[in-house]
Amino acid sequence: AQSVTQLGSHVSVSEGALVLLRCNYSSSVPPYLFWYVQYPNQGLQLLLKYTSAATLVKGINGFEAEFKKSETSFHLTKPSAHMSDAAEYFCAVSDSNDAGNMLTFGGGTRLMVKP
Amino acid sequence: EAGVAQSPRYKIIEKRQSVAFWCNPISGHATLYWYQQILGQGPKLLIQFQNNGVVDDSQLPKDRFSAERLKGVDSTLKIQPAKLEDSAVYLCASSPGWGVQYFGAGTRLSVL
Repeated sequence: AQSVTQLGSHVSVSEGALVLLRCNYSSSVPPYLFWYVQYPNQGLQLLLKYTSAATLVKGINGFEAEFKKSETSFHLTKPSAHMSDAAEYFCAVSDSNDAGNMLTFGGGTRLMVKP
Repeated sequence: EAGVAQSPRYKIIEKRQSVAFWCNPISGHATLYWYQQILGQGPKLLIQFQNNGVVDDSQLPKDRFSAERLKGVDSTLKIQPAKLEDSAVYLCASSPGWGVQYFGAGTRLSVL
């Protein structure tokens, strides 16, 4: 069975500061990993995905994540936070990249950005 | 390209009433998912369709929830009768494969 743990349900940073959102996963097979962002009253939008190619994955809006197998982690970072980054972020894991893959989501981290 | 469409956006009902949600996936996407997202939690998969067949419904409370995807396109999710604990956002997603799911804006259900 797969699982995802996101450490910190709430993270607060100042505008311009580094953003670090933590994600650890558990999977019995090589995982496929995703970060989604959810703005208020909207659906989830894909930020980036890891599918066994490069371990450092770049996504939209300046976000990136690094797959570390030894640490079973896939932390999300952004060098400089912007007010528009305030949202809820979800890490998810799948055991397949094929059609029909099922995602298991973490509990989410709400990012707050202070001016 | 049009995204995943869901309706209604909001629904308020009393417990023991029935409710139905509708989803129109992105054109050409064979796989469709329904998720339940309770406030403060990540989405939980309820049911997955591949075309008009069910791939996985192991987490669907079948005594009160039902879903169908006629003709392999639109889908409806029904709750009958609703309970207080069904209050949540119901998300529909579709996928062309390759590990990416595209989500609709969701239907927020409040059961009073």
